Amino acid sequence: GAVVSQHPSWVICKSGTSVKIECRSLDFQATTMFWYRQFPKQSLMLMATSNEGSKATYEQGVEKDKFLINHASLTLSTLTVTSAHPEDSSFYICSAEEVDTQYFGPGTRLTVL
Amino acid sequence: EDKVVQSPLSLVVHEGDTVTLNCSYEVTNFRSLLWYKQEKKAPTFLFMLTSSGIEKKSGRLSSILDKKELFSILNITATQTGDSAVYLCAVNYGGSQGNLIFGKGTKLSVKP
Repeated sequence: GAVVSQHPSWVICKSGTSVKIECRSLDFQATTMFWYRQFPKQSLMLMATSNEGSKATYEQGVEKDKFLINHASLTLSTLTVTSAHPEDSSFYICSAEEVDTQYFGPGTRLTVL
Repeated sequence: EDKVVQSPLSLVVHEGDTVTLNCSYEVTNFRSLLWYKQEKKAPTFLFMLTSSGIEKKSGRLSSILDKKELFSILNITATQTGDSAVYLCAVNYGGSQGNLIFGKGTKLSVKP
């Protein structure tokens, strides 16, 4: 149980384009999902908390107009990186909470050329 | 300031050795402490600890929490090369529902 999927696994895009990443809880409903990014050899950094049916809560320093989060259902949250630039290249990981435990998706590696 | 500190940052052992990974924390509104294993991709859940002194076990891995001294340890006995990974400690605090604050991780390398 408690399986979280992410799509795509990796994506390469040109600078200036937008990229959408999906996070799904496959066998449970998650009112709260989380989006993290991770740079090489560093720990996870929380970007935002995604709440089903309401606006996401962004951490300090994260641009909400650049990283658009939509949590339209209890099993799906999406992160859209708008007008991506090379500095947005990173490993993006989502998690979904079930019974006080966060379960992570496999992550999406984004490379912006 | 809330923080989670893991030690050591890096550890190299040989197969069969036993290792102990440490995690200390200072957070307000502590709810639980979680251990994750991260290999090439995203972290996989190992344990969640909420009560002091109760050991959680899964095969060769075990963990315990001390809420008085504010730390947890993760033990791995009879290590195998497949145990090589970064082990992350995270604390669930009460700032917002389910928010985790992560330590920097301990990189464990198990040599054959």
